[in-house]
Amino acid sequence: AQTVTQSQPEMSVQEAETVTLSCTYDTSESDYYLFWYKQPPSRQMILVIRQEAYKQQNATENRFSVNFQKAAKSFSLKISDSQLGDAAMYFCAYRSYGNQFYFGTGTSLTVIP
Amino acid sequence: DTGVSQNPRHKITKRGQNVTFRCDPISEHNRLYWYRQTLGQGPEFLTYFQNEAQLEKSRLLSDRFSAERPKGSFSTLEIQRTEQGDSAMYLCASSLGDRESYGYTFGSGTRLTVV
Repeated sequence: AQTVTQSQPEMSVQEAETVTLSCTYDTSESDYYLFWYKQPPSRQMILVIRQEAYKQQNATENRFSVNFQKAAKSFSLKISDSQLGDAAMYFCAYRSYGNQFYFGTGTSLTVIP
Repeated sequence: DTGVSQNPRHKITKRGQNVTFRCDPISEHNRLYWYRQTLGQGPEFLTYFQNEAQLEKSRLLSDRFSAERPKGSFSTLEIQRTEQGDSAMYLCASSLGDRESYGYTFGSGTRLTVV
C-alpha cells in the first residue's frame, strides 16, 4: 500500500516570510498525482495545489509552489509571503489509478504576526 | 449549490446507540467518498460511490458501518452499536468523473463523540 509521510508535526513562520513543508511518499507506480490540502480549524479541507507525476515542471499557484523530486519521492510545499490566513493543518496526499487518496498525518502551521 | 454539505456538524451519542450522518455532494458530482479522521491523523478512506453504486469499501468499514446513496445524490453513513473507538471526524467528499488528477471537494465533516 502507498504511504505518505509528513515528518514535521508542527511548523511556524513569521508573517511575510517563507516556509517549506516536507512530504515523502512510497509507491511502486510510475503514474500518480500528488496534492496538498489545507484544513483550517473547524473548517473543511481545501485543495491548495496538485502535481502530476509525469510533469517535470513544478506546480505553482500564486504564493504556493511545490518542489517535486520524483526519484527521491519527495513533494514539498513552499509558502511565500506567509499570511495569517495560511495558519492551518496541511495534508499531503497521493492518488494513483484508484479512487482513494492516501493522506499524511499533517503539519500544523502557525503564522506569527 | 455552494459545496459539499454534511449534517449534523456534531453528534454526541452513548455507546451502543446507532447514528446516521448525511452528506449532500455538489449536484453534478457523480462520485462520493467517505473518510474518517481521528485526532492527529490524516483522513482514512472508508468507501466510495459512483452514482448509486458502492464500488469500494475499506477494511476499516466493519459490519457495524453501512453507507447508501439511493438515488445517486445524497448519501448516508450509519454506524450501529457505536463504540468509543468510533469517535472521529467523518468527512464526505465528492468529485466529477474518474480522472485521477481531480482533487476532491470536501465537506466540513461530522464530528462524532461516543461517550
